Amino acid sequence: KQEVTQIPAALSVPEGENLVLNCSFTDSAIYNLQWFRQDPGKGLTSLLLIQSSQREQTSGRLNASLDKSSGRSTLYIAASQPGDSATYLCAVRPYTGGGNKLTFGTGTQLKVEL
Amino acid sequence: DGGITQSPKYLFRKEGQNVTLSCEQNLNHDAMYWYRQDPGQGLRLIYYSQIVNDFQKGDIAEGYSVSREKKESFPLTVTSAQKNPTAFYLCASSIEFPRTGLPRGNEQFFGPGTRLTVL
Repeated sequence: KQEVTQIPAALSVPEGENLVLNCSFTDSAIYNLQWFRQDPGKGLTSLLLIQSSQREQTSGRLNASLDKSSGRSTLYIAASQPGDSATYLCAVRPYTGGGNKLTFGTGTQLKVEL
Repeated sequence: DGGITQSPKYLFRKEGQNVTLSCEQNLNHDAMYWYRQDPGQGLRLIYYSQIVNDFQKGDIAEGYSVSREKKESFPLTVTSAQKNPTAFYLCASSIEFPRTGLPRGNEQFFGPGTRLTVL
């Protein structure tokens, strides 16, 4: 059974700092990995999707990398801002089996302070 | 604007009562999903549907039921058999090509959620 772990569970950084969020998964047979952002009481916003054949994806100040063989992904946030404060979730989709069934980590709660 | 809508935003249920959560999408997505989110836990899949008139149980389907009569709509009913229904419920959708060999999944997009509380 696929298990997804995100460390740390919470992180507080000063504004302007570059930071890395970690996601690890136990079964490397994945089809893709998706990073999401969730604000308190809100739905999830998709940030980046990395297919299993890709090594990284970039969107603005965000860069996500994938090392499928070691079961790891990182989300790099450059020049963090208070507006980046949210919970960040990663989710993996298995390579086999029907449906786009994602397994989620429990998230990293990020706070960027002025 | 294309997107996913969920209603109501807040829902209160009395013991023994069935309630239905609405999810509508105008993205022309094939697949739709229902997840449950509890504090300190990751999202867990309740049900999913890849095409109209077809759906499959997820990891925690007991006490829930769904229907998929239209491509745009995927309502979730929380029945009285669900013993601990208080949670945040999220609906999602994605482009999908069901049962055609290798999965060709795409990004999942989420609605704003419904918070259900048992009184």
